[in-house]
Amino acid sequence: NAGVTQTPKFRVLKTGQSMTLLCAQDMNHEYMYWYRQDPGMGLRLIHYSVGEGTTAKGEVPDGYNVSRLKKQNFLLGLESAAPSQTSVYFCASSRTLGREAFFGQGTRLTVV
Amino acid sequence: RKEVEQDPGPFNVPEGATVAFNCTYSNSASQSFFWYRQDCRKEPKLLMSVYSSGNEDGRFTAQLNRASQYISLLIRDSKLSDSATYLCVVTGSGNTGKLIFGQGTTLQVKP
Repeated sequence: NAGVTQTPKFRVLKTGQSMTLLCAQDMNHEYMYWYRQDPGMGLRLIHYSVGEGTTAKGEVPDGYNVSRLKKQNFLLGLESAAPSQTSVYFCASSRTLGREAFFGQGTRLTVV
Repeated sequence: RKEVEQDPGPFNVPEGATVAFNCTYSNSASQSFFWYRQDCRKEPKLLMSVYSSGNEDGRFTAQLNRASQYISLLIRDSKLSDSATYLCVVTGSGNTGKLIFGQGTTLQVKP
């Protein structure tokens, strides 16, 4: 019962480096989301996808790109990391709009 | 104005107390509403969905007021294990697929 799996769980990057966060779900869900969570800010939506091959911008998309080439995977890319991107990143998926969203355990990213 | 707003608290209550949280949302076209619970440094998990008619799950009661655009969560007979952050969640308008979170309300139940 894997549910939603995020890799990696922890990462330290230097300013200007790039990386990709992987989110994989095994529940055949259509919708997938990437959030970041910062102290006092709650979860803010970065990008989301309503199905394979589709992506859309959320509240804070700048500095991030995403891809959903396969239904079960949703990738979040940082092309040139900045200290302001230090955060905890959560991926989530749901069967359809209006249904429960299941979250991964989070990725703690520090950009120095 | 944020799409979903909550009082961050913290709410400090003794065991056995009744506590209520409110959440307001700005988009009148929002269609689905939820309360999630998040424990420290963990992922959020669904506590309950919120229906127009109101719904109850044990000690927890959720209500929706579409006219005033707010949802509420009532916790009766608080337990130490209820200590957590409670997140109000609203779907975006126009069936776009967005799932918008409030910043959360922190509850601390004390012995």
